[in-house]
Amino acid sequence: DAGVIQSPRHEVTEMGQEVTLRCKPISGHNSLFWYRQTMMRGLELLIYFNNNVPIDDSGMPEDRFSAKMPNASFSTLKIQPSEPRDSAVYFCASSPERLAGDNEQFFGPGTRLTVL
Amino acid sequence: AQTVTQSQPEMSVQEAETVTLSCTYDTSENNYYLFWYKQPPSRQMILVIRQEAYKQQNATENRFSVNFQKAAKSFSLKISDSQLGDTAMYFCAFMKGSGGGADGLTFGKGTHLIIQP
Repeated sequence: DAGVIQSPRHEVTEMGQEVTLRCKPISGHNSLFWYRQTMMRGLELLIYFNNNVPIDDSGMPEDRFSAKMPNASFSTLKIQPSEPRDSAVYFCASSPERLAGDNEQFFGPGTRLTVL
Repeated sequence: AQTVTQSQPEMSVQEAETVTLSCTYDTSENNYYLFWYKQPPSRQMILVIRQEAYKQQNATENRFSVNFQKAAKSFSLKISDSQLGDTAMYFCAFMKGSGGGADGLTFGKGTHLIIQP
C-alpha cells in the first residue's frame, strides 16, 4: 500500500494567491482528516470527512479556507486568498471504519506551505 | 472541548536509559482513546501506541508502554532501553469515542526527546 499521498510536498507562493493542497487517502479508508502544524499553535484539526461528507469543520480558520472530498479517493484543501500567517505544514490523514478499535489515523508526509 | 497538556517541552537522556514522557488531559467524555505519536525530523507522523479508555490494562508495544491513570486523567509514555532512533517529537493525542465513523485528534504541544550517544 502506498500510504496517504499528499501533493505538493512543498509550496511557495505569494500573498493573495490561491493555493490548493491535494490528498489521496489509503484505499478502503472512509474517514479523512486535514490538520495544520505550526510552531505557535501546534497540531490542529481543520476538518474531517466520513464517507466523503464533511462532519466537523469547526477548526477551519476562516472563510478563506475550504475543503472538498468529491470521491472516496481524493480531497482538496484550498486557501484563497493566501496570507503569510497561513504558512505551516498541512497534514492529511485517513482512517478505516471504526470497528473494534480500528481508529488509527495514518498520516501523509505533509505539505510545507510558505506564503511570502 | 478536550485539552491535552504535555508539560515537558524537551527531554534529553543517554542511550539505553529509560525515559518517561508526561501527558495529562481534560475531558467530560467517558468513552475515548488516547495515543502517542512520534514525529522524527522527516516530519512523518508515526503511531507509537494507543489506549482505549475502557481498558484498565496498560498498553504495551515492545519497548514502549503507557501508564494510564483514568481518574487522574494522566497518560504517560515510558520508553525502555532508549535508542538513538527514538530521537523525535512525541505528541500525546485524544480522540472521543463516538458511534459510527471516526473523530479528529486533539494533540498536546509535544515533547522533544533527544537520545544522547
